[in-house]
Amino acid sequence: TQLLEQSPQFLSIQEGENLTVYCNSSSVFSSLQWYRQEPGEGPVLLVTVVTGGEVKKLKRLTFQFGDARKDSSLHITAAQPGDTGLYLCAGPGGATNKLIFGTGTLLAVQP
Amino acid sequence: NAGVTQTPKFRVLKTGQSMTLLCAQDMNHEYMYWYRQDPGMGLRLIHYSVGEGTTAKGEVPDGYNVSRLKKQNFLLGLESAAPSQTSVYFCASKLSWGGQFFGPGTRLTVL
Repeated sequence: TQLLEQSPQFLSIQEGENLTVYCNSSSVFSSLQWYRQEPGEGPVLLVTVVTGGEVKKLKRLTFQFGDARKDSSLHITAAQPGDTGLYLCAGPGGATNKLIFGTGTLLAVQP
Repeated sequence: NAGVTQTPKFRVLKTGQSMTLLCAQDMNHEYMYWYRQDPGMGLRLIHYSVGEGTTAKGEVPDGYNVSRLKKQNFLLGLESAAPSQTSVYFCASKLSWGGQFFGPGTRLTVL
């Protein structure tokens, strides 16, 4: 069974701090996606990484896919209160375009 | 484009009652999914559909049924609601490639 474990589970930081969220698995994934879910809303896709070692940047967010395609990280520089939310990683779970979701990292950025 | 919409947004049921949750998407997506999200459990796949007229079981299908009579609609039914089905339900859709687009969720409480 493919599992995605995220760490930390919870993170509370001050505005302006940097942080990194990790998504790890013992299985190899062909790609990984990162979603952000704000309170009371559904998850929204941030990025898809598909190549081992790939780094993608989205403004202050940097996503990296591990060389072995078993892990990924999300780094936020100079966090802002608008970054508050639940961050989920997800990977393909076999055929028919199903996704396996990680358990999530709940981030709170205090002003 | 409305994207993915879900009705109702909130519902309270008594044990044993039935109800249907409606998901609609206007993006001509082939794939549609129903998830439930519980604290500490992440997103778990209930049922999914790879096209009009097709449905398949996900990770936690017991107690739920689905139908996809039209490409744009995916219905989730609870025939006899139980307190264990208290949760937030999300619908999502996607093309054969790319990420999933989520609806805003339905908050269901079963007393």
